[in-house]
Amino acid sequence: DIQLTQSPSFLSASVGDRVTITCRASQGISSYLAWYQQKPGKAPKLLIYAASTLQSGVPSRFSGSGSGTEFTLTISSLQPEDFATYYCQQLNSLFTFGPGTKVDIK
Amino acid sequence: EVQLVESGGGLVQPGGSLRLSCAASGFTFSSYSMNWVRQAPGKGLEWVSYISSSSSTIYYADSVKGRFTISRDNAKNSLYLQMNSLRAEDTAVYYCGPGVQGVIAHWGQGTLVTVSS
Repeated sequence: DIQLTQSPSFLSASVGDRVTITCRASQGISSYLAWYQQKPGKAPKLLIYAASTLQSGVPSRFSGSGSGTEFTLTISSLQPEDFATYYCQQLNSLFTFGPGTKVDIK
Repeated sequence: EVQLVESGGGLVQPGGSLRLSCAASGFTFSSYSMNWVRQAPGKGLEWVSYISSSSSTIYYADSVKGRFTISRDNAKNSLYLQMNSLRAEDTAVYYCGPGVQGVIAHWGQGTLVTVSS
């Protein structure tokens, strides 16, 4: 089974900050990775798929990169509505989610 | 507009059974694979099960294999999850969503399953 780790688990940041979240896979998954945002009490929202393709309607301040075993989600300038938990998901072998990264207000 | 409405959750005793339903609209249901994903209270997302558009391919997470059964009725635009031998650790909000190569772009609001005596 493919395992995913995310770092950091928790991140405290301010509006306007550049934020980077890393997702690592236990084995190579090419570009079969997606990123989701979830706010408390809400369903997840797809941000990025195929490691770097922005889902329609998602602001361009979100970007994704990486392939193989290491991936990053970057928010170029954090906005108040971006405080949430972010999950990566691998799609190479079944569909495992990472443990999540909570982005909180500093 | 894509709409997914999960139902069937509730309180059930350990060892009991429950059947979840997901009513889909706003897209061609029969053309999409479907997934169940769950989230235990205060925890992360866990993918549970996948069914292809024609029901020919089905996958389960190891944590539910042998206890849960996914199915669909394309004529009724509906997805189901039959959950047997329920355990406390199955307590979660269960979401359904169509997938394209596993990527879930649309999610329902979820239905809460509580397994407790």
